[in-house]
Amino acid sequence: QITLKESGPTLVKATQTLTLTCTFSGFSLNTGGEGVGWIRQPPGKALEWLALIYWDDDKRYSPSLKSRLTITKDTSKNQVVLTMTNMDPVDTATYFCAHRLKGSGSYYPDYWGQGTLVTVSS
Amino acid sequence: DIQMTQSPSSVSASVGDRVTITCRASQDISSWLAWYQQKPGKAPKLLIYGASSLQSGVPSRFSGSGSGTNLTLTVTNLQPDDFATYYCQQAYTFPPTFGGGTKVEIK
Repeated sequence: QITLKESGPTLVKATQTLTLTCTFSGFSLNTGGEGVGWIRQPPGKALEWLALIYWDDDKRYSPSLKSRLTITKDTSKNQVVLTMTNMDPVDTATYFCAHRLKGSGSYYPDYWGQGTLVTVSS
Repeated sequence: DIQMTQSPSSVSASVGDRVTITCRASQDISSWLAWYQQKPGKAPKLLIYGASSLQSGVPSRFSGSGSGTNLTLTVTNLQPDDFATYYCQQAYTFPPTFGGGTKVEIK
């Protein structure tokens, strides 16, 4: 059974760096085909994809946020970490991590964490 | 980025109804599309991928069709548990992009 859970601060100040950790179980990021991504959702708004890391350490980022994002993995801890620099109140959102549907040929998030609401104060 | 436009933005329906939601892509995405269901305060749930492949455990009253730039999600025999917001997502190219959502409300 695959599970994921996000953790990190619920409140950050503008200009600070946000660090979120996704701790997962039920699969290994050492296994070919696996991937974990991050997606966010501002209150009452639509979903926005942020970043993805594959088992082979290939990384993809949202072009509009690429300069602010870093995604890494720690396979020994079954964790994926997302850092976002220079936070702004518009970055207030629920942040989700999600597992990639294996064998799909693309990124379809099939298992999601519960999400963590991050509020950015000015 | 590929823009995904969903319509309608909201729909009122009754239990037992058939509901169709359309997703239009700003360019041809072939069949690289997924549909998700989201309830308030919860994470999205994958329903359909590859435009028409039903995710394991999803009831067969959900179906997806289409390819290219116009794709649809159909829910037949709407059940009380189906009242939620639905999102499409293209997986044709990076970055993956989502539609704006369609809220299915009780009439």
